[in-house]
Amino acid sequence: GNSVTQMEGPVTLSEEAFLTINCTYTATGYPSLFWYVQYPGEGLQLLLKATKADDKGSNKGFEATYRKETTSFHLEKGSVQVSDSAVYFCALSDPFGNEKLTFGTGTRLTIIP
Amino acid sequence: SAVISQKPSRDICQRGTSLTIQCQVDSQVTMMFWYRQQPGQSLTLIATANQGSEATYESGFVIDKFPISRPNLTFSTLTVSNMSPEDSSIYLCSVEDGRGANYGYTFGSGTRLTVV
Repeated sequence: GNSVTQMEGPVTLSEEAFLTINCTYTATGYPSLFWYVQYPGEGLQLLLKATKADDKGSNKGFEATYRKETTSFHLEKGSVQVSDSAVYFCALSDPFGNEKLTFGTGTRLTIIP
Repeated sequence: SAVISQKPSRDICQRGTSLTIQCQVDSQVTMMFWYRQQPGQSLTLIATANQGSEATYESGFVIDKFPISRPNLTFSTLTVSNMSPEDSSIYLCSVEDGRGANYGYTFGSGTRLTVV
């Protein structure tokens, strides 16, 4: 079946540091890939997505590139801010069946000033 | 993108009782999804609800415990029945949203359930 393997947390960085959160996936066919963010006490928000190989999703300074050859969708940001502290979830949508989302375990990111 | 109103936002319930969670979407959608997020964990799909048919449940979830209604294309309810402390979680509804470049999934704000 489909699965998403995500970098274990928690991750603690200083403000303005470079961020990478690794995500790899296993899927049949060609899934769409997503990063969702959950800020403290809030619901899930779509951060960025990519729907086909070599696509790059970007939003709020975050980027991730859909790499089919390595089945990866790593999240990066060049300079993190305290406001980026949240839990980040990598997910894929099932290209067969009912398009349900499969989530990774989530990575808790804390940025310290 | 779609806007989802989910309620209640939180509740504290006695064991053995049931709670019904509602999700209202501001547009018509074919499929609605219900997820559970246990404390400190990721999201697990409970079931997929299509209008006019029985919900499709994932392995480990059964209709008697989590009955779902989907009376029309903008509304769904999830009931957590005969609750125990192990049911304490955040429950979220979601819809598939948009087409093409706008394709994605929108989530409700979640219902934080504590069973005592």
